[in-house]
Amino acid sequence: EAGVAQSPRYKIIEKRQSVAFWCNPISGHATLYWYQQILGQGPKLLIQFQNNGVVDDSQLPKDRFSAERLKGVDSTLKIQPAKLEDSAVYLCASSFPQGGLYEQYFGPGTRLTVT
Amino acid sequence: SQQGEEDPQALSIQEGENATMNCSYKTSINNLQWYRQNSGRGLVHLILIRSNEREKHSGRLRVTLDTSKKSSSLLITASRAADTASYFCATDNGSQKLVFGQGTRLTINP
Repeated sequence: EAGVAQSPRYKIIEKRQSVAFWCNPISGHATLYWYQQILGQGPKLLIQFQNNGVVDDSQLPKDRFSAERLKGVDSTLKIQPAKLEDSAVYLCASSFPQGGLYEQYFGPGTRLTVT
Repeated sequence: SQQGEEDPQALSIQEGENATMNCSYKTSINNLQWYRQNSGRGLVHLILIRSNEREKHSGRLRVTLDTSKKSSSLLITASRAADTASYFCATDNGSQKLVFGQGTRLTINP
């Protein structure tokens, strides 16, 4: 079974530029998550999708971050304009119900450096 | 916001020794999960323990959960160099969302 795919793996941009990340979840996984992981910290949930609908985006900085999930499969996360504090690893995860529980499978992440 | 707090923040032991990491959390949970993250890689799910379970084993891993104390521990027995990684606990209150702790950085010395 193929895992969660993310691209690019690394991105370096200057502040005030825009950037987009792409995620392809595991086939059949209805729930998709985007996390931000700042160096030395645990991942923080940014947004959760169920199929192509948003379940929770309460921690997404909506003035600069946006996300969409096309046709309930792939997803993109965009930052515009980027700030220095956005430097982090952006992780995508997907999950499916198994016995009432939801184990999340994570992609390798995109490491963003804002200079 | 971070729900869990791992203790210690960093742990260094000799290969073959056992490693114990602790996690405390604040609110009621449906289940608690442990993840491993190697340098530069994504998170790998290790084990899930439900709120009505007290102990669970998977290979060299042993997880305990004490809901009265809102705490969990992860024990790795007979550690290997490949166990060097950061370990995170994450809580799920039944909403399918995980809230992660800050992690414990484990180093296994040969």
